[in-house]
Amino acid sequence: DVVLTQTPPTLSATIGQSVSISCRSSQSLLDSDGDTYLNWLLQRPGQSPQLLIYSVSNLESGVPNRFSGSGSETDFTLKISGVEAEDLGVYYCMQATHAPYTFGAGTKLELK
Amino acid sequence: QIQLVQSGPELKKPGESVKISCKASGYTFTNYGMYWVKQAPGQGLQYMGWINTETGKPTYADDFKGRFVFFLETSASTAYLQINNLKNEDMATYFCAVGGNWGQGVMVTVSS
Repeated sequence: DVVLTQTPPTLSATIGQSVSISCRSSQSLLDSDGDTYLNWLLQRPGQSPQLLIYSVSNLESGVPNRFSGSGSETDFTLKISGVEAEDLGVYYCMQATHAPYTFGAGTKLELK
Repeated sequence: QIQLVQSGPELKKPGESVKISCKASGYTFTNYGMYWVKQAPGQGLQYMGWINTETGKPTYADDFKGRFVFFLETSASTAYLQINNLKNEDMATYFCAVGGNWGQGVMVTVSS
């Protein structure tokens, strides 16, 4: 199975600060169809996960553009340009290129 | 818009079975596969597998082969997860998801 390693496990930020989360894959997530199925999700406390970014860098409808994704093959990054209070929670990367799908262990974003 | 509404919380004893439903609306049910995700208390997300909503064929991740069953009631746009012979380690919240859309989750408590 593909292993996704997220760093850091915990991130402390002030409101307005820009932060980045890394997700490294144990194998390339480039699919034979040319797409790379690496998604980013946010799970706020007590809620179900919410899709933020799909296929590395595509912003899900309704998601603020302070969120951005980048990367390729095995190295991916989620950036939040100016953290807001509503951004607090646990961020997961998820790959859907190789069966079975797998998730990173999560990065908890807290207020400093 | 796509909406996934899951059934309510469950309290079961070890050895019993539980059936969780996920009712879909806002799209053609058979157009997209549905996947299931387990989240143990305080833990991350674990992919359980998916069901092809066109054919009804389920595919299970290795950790979920045997006691776990995915099935459909296509006429009602509803997918089900049944867990047989419940064990303490099955205590978790179970989510259904279609693409980037997630149900609200069902908490299953296993206690004698």
